[in-house]
Amino acid sequence: KAGVTQTPRYLIKTRGQQVTLSCSPISGHRSVSWYQQTPGQGLQFLFEYFSETQRNKGNFPGRFSGRQFSNSRSEMNVSTLELGDSALYLCASSFPGGADTEAFFGQGTRLTVV
Amino acid sequence: GENVEQHPSTLSVQEGDSAVIKCTYSDSASNYFPWYKQELGKRPQLIIDIRSNVGEKKDQRIAVTLNKTAKHFSLHITETQPEDSAVYFCAANQGAQKLVFGQGTRLTINP
Repeated sequence: KAGVTQTPRYLIKTRGQQVTLSCSPISGHRSVSWYQQTPGQGLQFLFEYFSETQRNKGNFPGRFSGRQFSNSRSEMNVSTLELGDSALYLCASSFPGGADTEAFFGQGTRLTVV
Repeated sequence: GENVEQHPSTLSVQEGDSAVIKCTYSDSASNYFPWYKQELGKRPQLIIDIRSNVGEKKDQRIAVTLNKTAKHFSLHITETQPEDSAVYFCAANQGAQKLVFGQGTRLTINP
């Protein structure tokens, strides 16, 4: 099986712009979670989707949003980018998506805001 | 909400020695505790996990122990090898597929 695929791998954006990141889960996985990784804050949970519904949300401002499609692929969007949004954005998929099932991570998208 | 504390932040051991990383959590409802290894420039990968109905789990040179009463869990790596050098993260679940991570431990194995 192919692993979790994230595109693009690298992005450079200007402050104030918006960005969309994509995540394709492992085939058959219906849960997709998103995390932000920075040297200072570590790995922080953004949100999780299961069967196109957001089940859980972290403590990030409303500029961070996401969605999931019927084929379980997910996107996250960050609007009005700030310098502090520079980070590695990781998505993870799991099956069947319960509270105690293994999460498989993608390689991440490295976002740099200048 | 859940809070996970991880210690130490850096750990250096001689090849062949053991390494221990400790984590504490705050939410008594947490019932799943995975450990991830992240090598430089790579994705986090699960190395071992434990559920709250078990006190200890072992997989070759890696073991995890869980003390639910004290709300702490630990990773033990024996007979360390250079390829064990990486950043290790503990985590605890908070609801469906939400993981709260510790700050990470940078483990260096000295030959």
